[in-house]
Formats: sequence, structure tokens, C-alpha cells
Amino acid sequence: EAQVTQNPRYLITVTGKKLTVTCSQNMNHEYMSWYRQDPGLGLRQIYYSMNVEVTDKGDVPEGYKVSRKEKRNFPLILESPSPNQTSLYFCASSSPKGGSGANVLTFGAGSRLTVL
Amino acid sequence: GENVEQHPSTLSVQEGDSAVIKCTYSDSASNYFPWYKQELGKGPQLIIDIRSNVGEKKDQRIAVTLNKTAKHFSLHITETQPEDSAVYFCAASIYGQNFVFGPGTRLSVLP
Repeated sequence: EAQVTQNPRYLITVTGKKLTVTCSQNMNHEYMSWYRQDPGLGLRQIYYSMNVEVTDKGDVPEGYKVSRKEKRNFPLILESPSPNQTSLYFCASSSPKGGSGANVLTFGAGSRLTVL
Repeated sequence: GENVEQHPSTLSVQEGDSAVIKCTYSDSASNYFPWYKQELGKGPQLIIDIRSNVGEKKDQRIAVTLNKTAKHFSLHITETQPEDSAVYFCAASIYGQNFVFGPGTRLSVLP
């Protein structure tokens, strides 16, 4: 089944304790991105990646890092989490190339992070 | 950069009535406009999309219209059912990259 898998789905941590949220897709998509969802603000892009070893900042990158060493994986790293990073996080992927299904952004199920 | 506005933020309709959600975008280079439905506890799922070379697209009870000149696009749901209750997001993109989302519309379909 074509899907984007995120882990963990739920996490409670404390300020300053480094954490990584993993994201993996099995659709051979070039494009991957991370979003955070907060009430009233919709989905805001944190980082995105056009392909392996190519990453760029989205609208709200402060406090986050990403890496794209393999095409299928795009982990989100919080080096020193703070309470304002408490949010619902979504990973997504798409294939910008032409053809049927091109451009469709497929989301993972989400990771709810609480930073105390 | 691209900015997407979405209205209304909440919408309540009676079962069987129609619902319309409207979005505007700012970047004339955007050429792909998807709509996502997010049910409680789940990730957003694509329900319909439209590309800039098309003015209207329909899929059963759901339709999307695009006015490139005015930079408007709208989602129309006819004969609404309780299972249509969810949060809906519009988005704008250039060739499937850098999606910018609207803030969302919470639709409630009342039985």
C-alpha cells in the first residue's frame, strides 16, 4: 500500500531533550516536506526537500533540522525542543513529475508532540 | 511568496444542503490547486484537485471551480451528508512543489 509513515505518533518530552520524528514513504517520491498544524493557523511548512541531499526552509523553520540522505526518508530533528514547538506534525510527499497522479501530496497520519 | 486565504473558517449546513468554501491565492505562477479533507485524528486526504488549464472539475457530489484571472478557486459539496463533516483545506502549488495551505474550514453537517 502506498503510504507515508511517521513515528512516533504521540510523544511527550521535556524542554531541551533532543528528539527525532521519522518519516518514510514507499512511493519513490522526489518531493518531501514537513508541516506543523496549529489551531487557526492551518498547515505551515517547516522544511521541504526536492530530492536526496536537497533541502530548503519553509515558512517556520526555526528550531528544526532535517536531512535527506535517502530518497524514502526525511526525518525531522528538534535539537532543543521548547514548549512553543508543541504541535501536530505532518510529513508529506509528492512526485512533481508529469503523468497520472503527478503533484498529489500524500500525508502521513501525523505526530502529536508535547514539550513540557 | 504565495499566500492563500480561505473562507469561511466555520460552516454549518443542514443535511442535504450544499456547502461552498472559497479560496484566493496571490502567486499567478501557481498552477495546481488541491483540496484536502481532514477527519478527526487523521492526516489530510486529497478529495479533489484542479490544474490551471481547467476551469471546473466534478467528482460525484464534489466540484471545484477555478478563476485564474481573479485568482479564486472554490469547493462545492452538494447533497451534504453527516460524513462530510470535517476540516477542509485548500492549497496552491507550482508543479507539485511548495504547497501553501489555507487556514482551513470546519464544516459541520447537521442531521
